[in-house]
Amino acid sequence: QKEVEQNSGPLSVPEGAIASLNCTYSDRGSQSFFWYRQYSGKSPELIMFIYSNGDKEDGRFTAQLNKASQYVSLLIRDSQPSDSATYLCAPLKAAGNKLTFGGGTRVLVKP
Amino acid sequence: GAVVSQHPSRVICKSGTSVKIECRSLDFQATTMFWYRQFPKQSLMLMATSNEGSKATYEQGVEKDKFLINHASLTLSTLTVTSAHPEDSSFYICSARDFRGNIQYFGAGTRLSVL
Repeated sequence: QKEVEQNSGPLSVPEGAIASLNCTYSDRGSQSFFWYRQYSGKSPELIMFIYSNGDKEDGRFTAQLNKASQYVSLLIRDSQPSDSATYLCAPLKAAGNKLTFGGGTRVLVKP
Repeated sequence: GAVVSQHPSRVICKSGTSVKIECRSLDFQATTMFWYRQFPKQSLMLMATSNEGSKATYEQGVEKDKFLINHASLTLSTLTVTSAHPEDSSFYICSARDFRGNIQYFGAGTRLSVL
């Protein structure tokens, strides 16, 4: 079992729709969770982070966390073509205080 | 967000040469910096964790004598790829963690091509 599981995609969504990305993790000790966006050929950039169970909204992005289910998700509302990228889920491992990256979900927003 | 500067952005070198990559946190102090490698269509692979003033901690399978890491100050870490070979060609990315929290910010990356 991988430490962080993400559907590789591509997740194809029409412009203006909601993109829903899921992530499960194996380390029950993880307390902080990060979502990064990576455009092709570029380095990751931080989208948002979440520490507590429930929802956290930041602009068009909403992160959802359920520690009991070891599940974290990211919703992108009103998707734009510029949102087309790979989204990386990264829990912070309790041991070593290091990020563990999933393989990423590639999102394709079609005009 | 915080800014992490990584230089150079691209390097092309001959096999057997050494390449140094710099990573600087520009507007915050980073007690910990991380070095990642990413091959095409794969996720980031952590190579080593670098703490200011101490030796780097390397992940399993990463040769510490080949990938030399120095973290001499709270704003600068360097990665030297010694005696580079074509199989070392990859995208190397550094990140820095703000000492006030757990957020990691990434540099723009260095694309290394060894001929």
